[in-house]
Amino acid sequence: AQSVAQPEDQVNVAEGNPLTVKCTYSVSGNPYLFWYVQYPNRGLQFLLKYITGDNLVKGSYGFEAEFNKSQTSFHLKKPSALVSDSALYFCAVRALNTGGFKTIFGAGTRLFVKA
Amino acid sequence: NAGVTQTPKFQVLKTGQSMTLQCAQDMNHNSMYWYRQDPGMGLRLIYYSASEGTTDKGEVPNGYNVSRLNKREFSLRLESAAPSQTSVYFCASSEAFQGNQPQHFGDGTRLSIL
Repeated sequence: AQSVAQPEDQVNVAEGNPLTVKCTYSVSGNPYLFWYVQYPNRGLQFLLKYITGDNLVKGSYGFEAEFNKSQTSFHLKKPSALVSDSALYFCAVRALNTGGFKTIFGAGTRLFVKA
Repeated sequence: NAGVTQTPKFQVLKTGQSMTLQCAQDMNHNSMYWYRQDPGMGLRLIYYSASEGTTDKGEVPNGYNVSRLNKREFSLRLESAAPSQTSVYFCASSEAFQGNQPQHFGDGTRLSIL
């Protein structure tokens, strides 16, 4: 079965420090990979995606993500965290499934950035 | 540019009541989706419409129906609400169902069933 795992429910980091939010996946074939962010009482907002090509993808608000095919991972990173980065982050995978393409979301990781 | 608009933002129902959640997008997207978000479970797909005129079941369709009214609008109906349907409901749209473009989300409808 296809799945997405975000192994950490919560990540705590001090402002100015680098942050990593982890995501691993299990799908057939070559997937499209996405990261979304959700602020309180808002819908999900797209941050970045990996389709093909360079393993390091740059996105909005200074975020980047590293695709690792051998480890089937797509970790979200930022060199220097801001308090305003505190939010809920979702990894998503879109892959060909029986019946067509389906998008699967991880359970989400809550990021707390402390001043 | 409004993007994806959902109404209402909040609703409280009694068990057995019915209601329709409305969703409209102004990005000329072909595909639209309804999700529910419950704590610790991420987003679960209820129904989707790959293109105007088509609808299909997602992961958790029981207790729900949908209508793709036109290219812009995709509604979700609860015929007989149950407490298990208490959740936050999100509508989303994307350019195409089989493409690599991201989904765009509305700000959700917070629904409580008493």
